[in-house]
Amino acid sequence: GENVEQHPSTLSVQEGDSAVIKCTYSDSASNYFPWYKQELGKGPQLIIDIRSNVGEKKDQRIAVTLNKTAKHFSLHITETQPEDSAVYFCAAVRENYGGATNKLIFGTGTLLAVQP
Amino acid sequence: DAGITQSPRHKVTETGTPVTLRCHQTENHRYMYWYRQDPGHGLRLIHYSYGVKDTDKGEVSDGYSVSRSKTEDFLLTLESATSSQTSVYFCAISESGGPRNTEAFFGQGTRLTVV
Repeated sequence: GENVEQHPSTLSVQEGDSAVIKCTYSDSASNYFPWYKQELGKGPQLIIDIRSNVGEKKDQRIAVTLNKTAKHFSLHITETQPEDSAVYFCAAVRENYGGATNKLIFGTGTLLAVQP
Repeated sequence: DAGITQSPRHKVTETGTPVTLRCHQTENHRYMYWYRQDPGHGLRLIHYSYGVKDTDKGEVSDGYSVSRSKTEDFLLTLESATSSQTSVYFCAISESGGPRNTEAFFGQGTRLTVV
């Protein structure tokens, strides 16, 4: 089955700096890669995602890159702000519309602390 | 916010007792998932469902069973709770098919303590 590794487990940056979180996956058939943000006491929420036919996607200060050959994908946050402090999870999915294999496998999470 | 309700939100139970956690959705989504979250392990998939009465095992299914008798409810049962099952449990839902439909929406979590 799919295995997703995520690094680093903790990351501390100064406000305004950039933060990068990296993930690798094992199943070459995975084709959808979402990122979730979990604030304290809440469930995770989707912040950005990318599909395997795209190499990069941006949404304001957040970007995700995908290297299918190396089976790597990364989350980039620029101009970090204190409200970006949270736990971030990457995930990999083999999308199979209506099939039984459509399940999310998550990485172990990265605790991001943005210091004011 | 997606209509997902987990109950109970907090529970303390004794070792060896059965426990059932409930996830209720009002979105009519096909897929439902149970995860557990533990420090250093992130979110690990316990069981998931891809339709009424259709379920499958995840990464850490030993000691857990699930049932889905209707679209809106997905029950997680710890048949004989152990201290290693102390965790925060999250339910998630997603809809199959279409470019955005694998987005998963999470509930608020259930904190379970087994003493």
